Amino acid sequence: EPEVTQTPSHQVTQMGQEVILRCVPISNHLYFYWYRQILGQKVEFLVSFYNNEISEKSEIFDDQFSVERPDGSNFTLKIRSTKLEDSAMYFCASSGAEKLFFGSGTQLSVL
Amino acid sequence: DQQVKQNSPSLSVQEGRISILNCDYTNSMFDYFLWYKKYPAEGPTFLISISSIKDKNEDGRFTVFLNKSAKHLSLHIVPSQPGDSAVYFCAASWIEGGKLIFGQGTELSVKP
Repeated sequence: EPEVTQTPSHQVTQMGQEVILRCVPISNHLYFYWYRQILGQKVEFLVSFYNNEISEKSEIFDDQFSVERPDGSNFTLKIRSTKLEDSAMYFCASSGAEKLFFGSGTQLSVL
Repeated sequence: DQQVKQNSPSLSVQEGRISILNCDYTNSMFDYFLWYKKYPAEGPTFLISISSIKDKNEDGRFTVFLNKSAKHLSLHIVPSQPGDSAVYFCAASWIEGGKLIFGQGTELSVKP
């Protein structure tokens, strides 16, 4: 079964550093998403992306966040200057207009 | 802004018995409801869904019931198996395949 792939599985960074989280969505999907889950809390929507542009973003997704689909297969989430509160599990998801398929996540730890 | 709520953080059930996980929502414009299952260190995995035009959908041991007037849905697992032990997230969407709003999750433990 096709799957969404995320790398790295774990990322440790210093506060203020830039991080890029990478995702390879399912190949024929058109809709892409980033979600995050802070430890012990709910899975929260960050941003959706369709037709090479952001279609919706949450209030969490401020100017420090950006997304890109640089080569037609990868889908990346960049955090320009990480904060302690950015520590969370970040999930990428893709959809072909049915259900969302999620990757295994990247655990980001900001020290 | 908790549009989707799962009020039970945990549930413990004996193997072979029925597990019932509950979910409430506040936004009457939601059109699709889904249940995802999540193991530690993995992403949510789709389990079952229901459209707002239906009140029941069944897939093997899993059945989802939707009560639109009460803005309530439930997931029934019968018979429960130890491998069902995971966190179950209820989610809602305005369109099929669209952005999901998740509940807080219920951790199900099925004991042998």
